[in-house]
Amino acid sequence: KQEVTQIPAALSVPEGENLVLNCSFTDSAIYNLQWFRQDPGKGLTSLLLIQSSQREQTSGRLNASLDKSSGRSTLYIAASQPGDSATYLCAGGGGKLIFGQGTTLQVKP
Amino acid sequence: NAGVTQTPKFQVLKTGQSMTLQCAQDMNHNSMYWYRQDPGMGLRLIYYSASEGTTDKGEVPNGYNVSRLNKREFSLRLESAAPSQTSVYVCASSEGVDRGPDTQYFGPGTRLTVL
Repeated sequence: KQEVTQIPAALSVPEGENLVLNCSFTDSAIYNLQWFRQDPGKGLTSLLLIQSSQREQTSGRLNASLDKSSGRSTLYIAASQPGDSATYLCAGGGGKLIFGQGTTLQVKP
Repeated sequence: NAGVTQTPKFQVLKTGQSMTLQCAQDMNHNSMYWYRQDPGMGLRLIYYSASEGTTDKGEVPNGYNVSRLNKREFSLRLESAAPSQTSVYVCASSEGVDRGPDTQYFGPGTRLTVL
């Protein structure tokens, strides 16, 4: 059974810092790995999707990597801004996504 | 495009009452999903519908039923609500590409409290 874990549960950084969010999964036979953002009281927004045959995806200041052999994915945020403050969730699988618990990020001005 | 819409946004029930949560998508997606989101536990899949006319259980289906009314609409019913069902219920849809890239799009959620 696939399990997805995100550590830490919360993170606070000063504006401008580069940061890495971690996601680990137990089953290396993973179809896709997705990263989502959730703002308070809002729905999830998909940030990046990495297919099982890929190693990374980039969108603007965000870069997500996937290492199936070690069961890890990371989301790299460059030059963080207060607007990046949100909860970030990773999820693995195909149609039936298995979610991690999320990391709540606060970027302080 | 409205994307994925859910009604109601908030609901308070007493133990034993029943209700139906509604979800609709206007993206012509094949697959639809119902999740519950609880603090510290991420999202857990309750039921999903891979295509119109099919439904399957997810990780936590007990106490719930679903209906895929048509391609656009997927409802979640609580027959006899319990306090343990207090949660945020989130609906999602996707094109439904099996084992391939298949981004899910999420609704804003319904916050349900069972007293």
